[in-house]
Amino acid sequence: AQSVSQHNHHVILSEAASLELGCNYSYGGTVNLFWYVQYPGQHLQLLLKYFSGDPLVKGIKGFEAEFIKSKFSFNLRKPSVQWSDTAEYFCAVSRNQAGTALIFGKGTTLSVSS
Amino acid sequence: KAGVTQTPRYLIKTRGQQVTLSCSPISGHRSVSWYQQTPGQGLQFLFEYFSETQRNKGNFPGRFSGRQFSNSRSEMNVSTLELGDSALYLCASSQQYQETQYFGPGTRLLVL
Repeated sequence: AQSVSQHNHHVILSEAASLELGCNYSYGGTVNLFWYVQYPGQHLQLLLKYFSGDPLVKGIKGFEAEFIKSKFSFNLRKPSVQWSDTAEYFCAVSRNQAGTALIFGKGTTLSVSS
Repeated sequence: KAGVTQTPRYLIKTRGQQVTLSCSPISGHRSVSWYQQTPGQGLQFLFEYFSETQRNKGNFPGRFSGRQFSNSRSEMNVSTLELGDSALYLCASSQQYQETQYFGPGTRLLVL
């Protein structure tokens, strides 16, 4: 079945550690890729997005993601996490043939200890 | 600009009842989508409206329906509520069809 997979359910890091969250999708054709974040008690916010062009995209708060088409991946990275990055992170894909509908991964909970 | 607003924020209903949730998109946004978020199934797409027309529908039963008004505001309705409908219902808007979506805070529905 077509899906979006996030490899890690829960990641625990210390402040200043580097972060990489994996995301793979199984759709063929043209896709748009997104990472959203949900901080505790807050609503989903867009971190970054990829529609076309440079496969390395930069988002807010120092996050970046790399689209590797051959691997159907869109991994999220941050060189040095902060306590305030504690949140749930969602990878999402939309397919041009399916309008704006987002297909989400199950999410990764990131806990950062100070 | 004000973000996406959803009303009510919390709702408690009993099985068999129906419920209507409301969403006001960001000013100037014409596309509205609805999602259901549960601990077990995660975030699942319900439907999408653009220019008062349903453009896309997820894999949910016909008890779930929606509509969009000429001012882009949208409502979703769930009839004959079941316990499994307990969830956070999220509305997202985008400026045009097939563009980046911005989410509201959601309506948390509890079905008893």
